[in-house]
Amino acid sequence: DAKTTQPNSMESNEEEPVHLPCNHSTISGTDYIHWYRQLPSQGPEYVIHGLTSNVNNRMASLAIAEDRKSSTLILHRATLRDAAVYYCILRDGGSNYKLTFGKGTLLTVNP
Amino acid sequence: AAGVIQSPRHLIKEKRETATLKCYPIPRHDTVYWYQQGPGQDPQFLISFYEKMQSDKGSIPDRFSAQQFSDYHSELNMSSLELGDSALYFCASSSTGQARTEAFFGQGTRLTVV
Repeated sequence: DAKTTQPNSMESNEEEPVHLPCNHSTISGTDYIHWYRQLPSQGPEYVIHGLTSNVNNRMASLAIAEDRKSSTLILHRATLRDAAVYYCILRDGGSNYKLTFGKGTLLTVNP
Repeated sequence: AAGVIQSPRHLIKEKRETATLKCYPIPRHDTVYWYQQGPGQDPQFLISFYEKMQSDKGSIPDRFSAQQFSDYHSELNMSSLELGDSALYFCASSSTGQARTEAFFGQGTRLTVV
């Protein structure tokens, strides 16, 4: 699986936007960019995913660089419930059935 | 909406015993994934099934086996348990195993081996 690199931790204030970066310089043309998050003692939760174009849903936005070597997960207004570990994962469209977690970013949200 | 159901939520076993973890995917989901998460670790992929056939295999010990049944639920069987098997075990399901689809996770089974 292609590798992703994320900061170990980030900090934000409540009600402010948060931009979580992910580098994936070895991404291939068939790799989908997925984001999941995991709150303490809970199962991972799907956030968003995309291939080439920017994506929006009710939870977040995903901005994908034109060369696809990096992406940014955007939480528009952080809440205390957004405090979690965020994982950026590449899923190879040519090799299905596996979702491999790497080292994510621990997001702390200050009140 | 129905979510992924895992049972039991907590399990305590002694060394060398066996354990069976169950996973009930979201209705109409045909793909199931199993993960192990040790304390302070990231989830590690163990194995996946698509349409009742094993589709991919990760770092699953030989002492572990799994299968997906005709109703799409899955079971992870763990034998000769070791202290190091103590972890959270997550199951996830998706509507296909394809990279373009998202996976939904259960709340996990916390296994403690004493």
